[in-house]
Amino acid sequence: EAGVAQSPRYKIIEKRQSVAFWCNPISGHATLYWYQQILGQGPKLLIQFQNNGVVDDSQLPKDRFSAERLKGVDSTLKIQPAKLEDSAVYLCASSLERWNTEAFFGQGTRLTVV
Amino acid sequence: DAKTTQPPSMDCAEGRAANLPCNHSTISGNEYVYWYRQIHSQGPQYIIHGLKNNETNEMASLIITEDRKSSTLILPHATLRDTAVYYCIVGKGGAGSYQLTFGKGTKLSVIP
Repeated sequence: EAGVAQSPRYKIIEKRQSVAFWCNPISGHATLYWYQQILGQGPKLLIQFQNNGVVDDSQLPKDRFSAERLKGVDSTLKIQPAKLEDSAVYLCASSLERWNTEAFFGQGTRLTVV
Repeated sequence: DAKTTQPPSMDCAEGRAANLPCNHSTISGNEYVYWYRQIHSQGPQYIIHGLKNNETNEMASLIITEDRKSSTLILPHATLRDTAVYYCIVGKGGAGSYQLTFGKGTKLSVIP
């Protein structure tokens, strides 16, 4: 089966610019996650969707980050305006059900803010 | 969710068993132990999970102590491709909010 698709793979922007990442989860997966992984650290959950509703966005910096999952399939994560500390890999993951025990991750988008 | 403690790094000779420990002394009765790994420049990959019984699949074995306060992931015959960061995660697997909270993991280096 096809895996979780993310684009772009790499992005370089200047601080204060905006950027968007796209994720296409595995077909039929109801739950979608966005993680931020700073170099040398484990991934940190930013937001979790169940179909097109938000389950948890407690760690999402809502003053600059936003995410949506229209029609309960694809999702976009946006940063506006970007800061230097946003430089990280942004990972998208999906799973069949909210309580499913296996999550499938995409390869991530590496963002560099200069 | 319960926190976990893992050694920051370990080495293992190619072909030998790799035993990766994890402490989760504050685990509660309905929390599962999950293991994921992350090979360089890739997203994390699921390995195995368990509640209280030992588990085995085609990738690894998971040994959970009787008091459930610690566990060990065993890769029976480590290869160079097993070089990765291994994350031990504790979380609820039943109905309700299911999340994976990653720590820093153990960097396993398999040496030829």
